[in-house]
Amino acid sequence: EAQVTQNPRYLITVTGKKLTVTCSQNMNHEYMSWYRQDPGLGLRQIYYSMNVEVTDKGDVPEGYKVSRKEKRNFPLILESPSPNQTSLYFCASSFRGLEPNEQYFGPGTRLTVT
Amino acid sequence: DAKTTQPTSMDCAEGRAANLPCNHSTISGNEYVYWYRQIHSQGPQYIIHGLKNNETNEMASLIITEDRKSSTLILPHATLRDTAVYYCIVRVLGGGSNYKLTFGKGTLLTVNP
Repeated sequence: EAQVTQNPRYLITVTGKKLTVTCSQNMNHEYMSWYRQDPGLGLRQIYYSMNVEVTDKGDVPEGYKVSRKEKRNFPLILESPSPNQTSLYFCASSFRGLEPNEQYFGPGTRLTVT
Repeated sequence: DAKTTQPTSMDCAEGRAANLPCNHSTISGNEYVYWYRQIHSQGPQYIIHGLKNNETNEMASLIITEDRKSSTLILPHATLRDTAVYYCIVRVLGGGSNYKLTFGKGTLLTVNP
């Protein structure tokens, strides 16, 4: 089954404790992206990657890192989480090119930083 | 990307057609209309997209006006599982250098029994 998986689905952590949220897709998609969703602010893009070893900042990259060493994986790294990073996070992927580029989203990771 | 305007919320009776409008009066000639939906706190789900012709797939139909300044997403027989926030997004096909989706506030569609 074609899907985007995220782990963990729920995480409660403390300020400053480094964490990684994993994202994996099994559709051989070149493009992957991370969004965060906050009440009243909607979904905002954090980082994106057009292919392996190619990443770039989205609209709200501060406090986050990403890497793209393999095509299928795109982990989101919070080196020193702060309470303002409490949010619902979504990973997405799609093919590149001029096709519909429908994006497939993961189920979400709800992060709470205390 | 062009901005879109959608009603905040709509209600629909189960089994009836749900018609969700979207205004995109500043749309450019090379911009497409995409629709996604998000069922409560789940990941957004692609529904359909179009340029200027009407489109239909297994989930919905998309009607785009001739001047392309507005469109309507039609769910022909709404079910309770269609209760979700529906997002109308206008974007260049392929997304240019970033396939970012700019989600507005969307329309909360509530399907009632």
